[in-house]
Amino acid sequence: GENVEQHPSTLSVQEGDSAVIKCTYSDSASNYFPWYKQELGKRPQLIIDIRSNVGEKKDQRIAVTLNKTAKHFSLHITETQPEDSAVYFCAAGLFYDMRFGAGTRLTVKP
Amino acid sequence: NAGVTQTPKFRVLKTGQSMTLLCAQDMNHEYMYWYRQDPGMGLRLIHYSVGEGTTAKGEVPDGYNVSRLKKQNFLLGLESAAPSQTSVYFCASRTGRGETQYFGPGTRLLVL
Repeated sequence: GENVEQHPSTLSVQEGDSAVIKCTYSDSASNYFPWYKQELGKRPQLIIDIRSNVGEKKDQRIAVTLNKTAKHFSLHITETQPEDSAVYFCAAGLFYDMRFGAGTRLTVKP
Repeated sequence: NAGVTQTPKFRVLKTGQSMTLLCAQDMNHEYMYWYRQDPGMGLRLIHYSVGEGTTAKGEVPDGYNVSRLKKQNFLLGLESAAPSQTSVYFCASRTGRGETQYFGPGTRLLVL
């Protein structure tokens, strides 16, 4: 089955800096790659996703890139704000069977 | 439109007891999922369903059973709870065509 690895496990940045979180996956059949944000005690919420036929997608300060050949994808957050502080999860797989990374705790210092 | 709801929100069980977690969605979604979330391990898929009357095993199915008798409900059962099943359980659903997955608020389960 699919195996997803996520790095780093913790990330601390200054407000206004950029943050990058990287994930690798093992199954070349995976075709859907979402990213979720989870605040303490809350449910995960989708922030951006990308499908296998697209190399990059951007939504305001958030972007995701996908390299299918290397089997890795990344989340980029620019101009970080304190409210971006949360745990971020990547996932990969087919839409009916997703596997998640272990998460990255992002702290944005004001 | 309540989205995805879960009951109960919190439960304490003794080892060997049984219980059922209920997930309900009012978005007419075909696909429903049960995940568990443990510290430092992300979300792991327990079971999923691609439609009413169907279920399939995920990554960590042992010790759990599920049923999808109605399209809007997905039940997760623990027949004989073990301390290793202490976790936060999240239900999720998505449409058959679209791929955005909506999560419920979670159920915190403590097995003593």
